Amino acid sequence: QSVLTQPPSVSAAPGQKVTISCSGSRSNIGNNYVSWYQHLPGTAPKLVIHDNNKRPSGVPDRFSGSKAGTSATLAITGLQTGDEGDYYCATWDSGLSAGVFGGGTQVTVL
Amino acid sequence: QVHLAQSGPEVRRPGASVSVSCKASGYTFSNWGIVWVRQAPGQGLEWMGWISVYTGDKKYAQQIKGRASMSTDTSTNTAYLEVKSLRSDDTAIYYCARGAERSPDYGGNSWFGPWGRGTLVTVSS
Repeated sequence: QSVLTQPPSVSAAPGQKVTISCSGSRSNIGNNYVSWYQHLPGTAPKLVIHDNNKRPSGVPDRFSGSKAGTSATLAITGLQTGDEGDYYCATWDSGLSAGVFGGGTQVTVL
Repeated sequence: QVHLAQSGPEVRRPGASVSVSCKASGYTFSNWGIVWVRQAPGQGLEWMGWISVYTGDKKYAQQIKGRASMSTDTSTNTAYLEVKSLRSDDTAIYYCARGAERSPDYGGNSWFGPWGRGTLVTVSS
């Protein structure tokens, strides 16, 4: 059972938009920055959003993040077949004094 | 270019220990930390721990505390994760990633990247 809650899967047609929610509590998302990781089949996970809404260099602006209260959201617009994979939210939990992940969301391009 | 090169696959019997290495290049090793994450077959990512290379400060996930030990060697820019008393549910791909120099409890970043390509550890009798 993950500390952060994500939907198991989302899907959309090429060119469309998907959003992935990540729900936590005051001790984690509520008081810390959220990051998002893309894990494509056969590759190492990759940071796509940090500090709630900042994109690392090289990440296309089709990826965006937001946070409100104890929830965060990753949006992917202009969906491409190369975006298919698993996406994880993560943050620090001040109560646990440890990092925590969501259970992951599988993105499927129809 | 930042790169983390991990050691090769390992097979161990239950009860044994394993050490996974992570050699960093392309940045000043002592200015950052290292985070360890694992993924069991068919499961999601699990945060295991963080170590500050400069201070040696460490944080472990509760579920692995007492069986895992993180360390670094600044002479070779290498980080190590040792897991003892291995069980079958320790079978996983173990990843290292560049992390913050300071714990997020003290204002350090909670995000981490880039990641190594992972080391498969199989625990089987």
